[in-house]
Amino acid sequence: ETGVTQTPRHLVMGMTNKKSLKCEQHLGHNAMYWYKQSAKKPLELMFVYSLEERVENNSVPSRFSPECPNSSHLFLHLHTLQPEDSALYLCASSQDTGGWGNEQFFGPGTRLTVL
Amino acid sequence: SQQGEEDPQALSIQEGENATMNCSYKTSINNLQWYRQNSGRGLVHLILIRSNEREKHSGRLRVTLDTSKKSSSLLITASRAADTASYFCATALIQGAQKLVFGQGTRLTINP
Repeated sequence: ETGVTQTPRHLVMGMTNKKSLKCEQHLGHNAMYWYKQSAKKPLELMFVYSLEERVENNSVPSRFSPECPNSSHLFLHLHTLQPEDSALYLCASSQDTGGWGNEQFFGPGTRLTVL
Repeated sequence: SQQGEEDPQALSIQEGENATMNCSYKTSINNLQWYRQNSGRGLVHLILIRSNEREKHSGRLRVTLDTSKKSSSLLITASRAADTASYFCATALIQGAQKLVFGQGTRLTINP
């Protein structure tokens, strides 16, 4: 266990549904991240939060809406998704976003399928 | 092309042999990290090497970094079946908010 949990582990949704992915870290970290991992593509950084403030938004479509109510929790709200959004969504945390560099601790991911 | 590119894309060896994976990148980095991912699971951090370091060891893992060639290698010695996984290098760029840029990974298969 890495200290980062994600729920649900699997999600199937239609294009008109609204759902949310949840991530929780128990490591006392200040930074949290959302990544998208599609087949045969590199891991794509979506959002970065530092002390509950969004510091990075990598040109992600507005149908993905992140929320970070506190430094331990991160949500990804999904609405009107497309089939090409089907992927493994990974959450990660690190001590902070600066300094010499920090290892990131990943959750197990949510396997999302959009029908 | 991507900041980090692993080579080879796939590697299959016999248990007990050594496995070497390479990573090349394009821009200056703060550090380079290697991660491992079992099929369909999250990534696990293996080792971090800073830009002013040339070599680092952790158990059966040995990582080298050559900033002049913008390349790194990960060596796994005395491989085991449990080492079967995908291995990714990730570069931490020199900028305000640290981002990790991942390569596409090397799929390593250890045959018993």
